[in-house]
Amino acid sequence: DSGVTQTPKHLITATGQRVTLRCSPRSGDLSVYWYQQSLDQGLQFLIQYYNGEERAKGNILERFSAQQFPDLHSELNLSSLELGDSALYFCASSVSVGDSGNTIYFGEGSWLTVV
Amino acid sequence: AQTVTQSQPEMSVQEAETVTLSCTYDTSESDYYLFWYKQPPSRQMILVIRQEAYKQQNATENRFSVNFQKAAKSFSLKISDSQLGDAAMYFCAYRSASGTYKYIFGTGTRLKVLA
Repeated sequence: DSGVTQTPKHLITATGQRVTLRCSPRSGDLSVYWYQQSLDQGLQFLIQYYNGEERAKGNILERFSAQQFPDLHSELNLSSLELGDSALYFCASSVSVGDSGNTIYFGEGSWLTVV
Repeated sequence: AQTVTQSQPEMSVQEAETVTLSCTYDTSESDYYLFWYKQPPSRQMILVIRQEAYKQQNATENRFSVNFQKAAKSFSLKISDSQLGDAAMYFCAYRSASGTYKYIFGTGTRLKVLA
């Protein structure tokens, strides 16, 4: 158990809909990362937050948005869903952006299926 | 921009034998961190081993060790006494020691362990 909690674990929804994925980082971790992994693909970096502020942005679509709240949990919002958005969405956390040598720990992921 | 390349999409190893997975990266930075993550069929991302670029000594974790060649920008993973439970997708990752601290992952190598 990495200590990173993601909900829901599985989600099936229709095209055009909107969903919210939630992540609780490990206790004490300030930084949260979101990754997308399509079937048999690598990990695509979406976005990173540090202590409530956006720190880095990757290949995140305009239909997607995220935020990190004062209690450090994070939410990834996916809207106007398309079939191609079906993927495993990972959240990961680490202690601090400035803490050299830190390692990110992954949650178990949220499986999103768009039908 | 930094890149991580895993040129072996798939590898096979006989149980109890040794296998080496390759990873090369491109960066102009001198200080960074390198990681190997394992993703078994459960799809959870599990940290295998970590290497700090400023350390010349290669990291080891039980049956897992790395061959870190900084000048060649190479970071291979050696698995000794391979076990059936080692069968998984293995991802190499790079993280800068400064800047955005974004983690960059390779495309992965699928390891099959033959009984």
